[in-house]
Amino acid sequence: DVKVTQSSRYLVKRTGEKVFLECVQDMDHENMFWYRQDPGLGLRLIYFSYDVKMKEKGDIPEGYSVSREKKERFSLILESASTNQTSMYLCASRTGGTQYFGPGTRLLVL
Amino acid sequence: AQSVTQPDIHITVSEGASLELRCNYSYGATPYLFWYVQSPGQGLQLLLKYFSGDTLVQGIKGFEAEFKRSQSSFNLRKPSVHWSDAAEYFCAVVTAGNMLTFGGGTRLMVKP
Repeated sequence: DVKVTQSSRYLVKRTGEKVFLECVQDMDHENMFWYRQDPGLGLRLIYFSYDVKMKEKGDIPEGYSVSREKKERFSLILESASTNQTSMYLCASRTGGTQYFGPGTRLLVL
Repeated sequence: AQSVTQPDIHITVSEGASLELRCNYSYGATPYLFWYVQSPGQGLQLLLKYFSGDTLVQGIKGFEAEFKRSQSSFNLRKPSVHWSDAAEYFCAVVTAGNMLTFGGGTRLMVKP
């Protein structure tokens, strides 16, 4: 079974803090993705990565950066968290055209 | 532009009743199609997918979906719904650039 894990299920941070969300997959997938999910807006792609050290902007990259130093790990970074980044964050990895999702991290920025 | 439409935002069915969730897509080429399910506070779980071949695909948890090219549809069905099926369901299509485009989701409620 494909397994995608995210470091935290729930996270509370303060405005201005630097926030790291970690995602790990154990299936040697090359492609990994970060989405955010908000009521009424659905899932929106933030960043994705085709391989180690490679990254591409998605639809809403502003305020975010990513890091892919190892194939199995894809990190989403909020350089200076803001309240409008309160959301559910979903990581996915892809093989054979199919994306597999992690359990999500619900982030609250106060 | 490619898009995925799930016309029903909410659906309520009685336990044991049949279920059909609608999905329409707009995409010029032959699409790769998916259905995912999301329980409250959880990530998305893949129910089934269609890439090619038999247009009726079977998935997990007793779900199936039928690809109808003439109607640009990929509706999800289950003959008898269980209370544990209450969740949000997302249809998705792989579009140009090999990206996944999601519908807005359908929230299913199951009455006892």
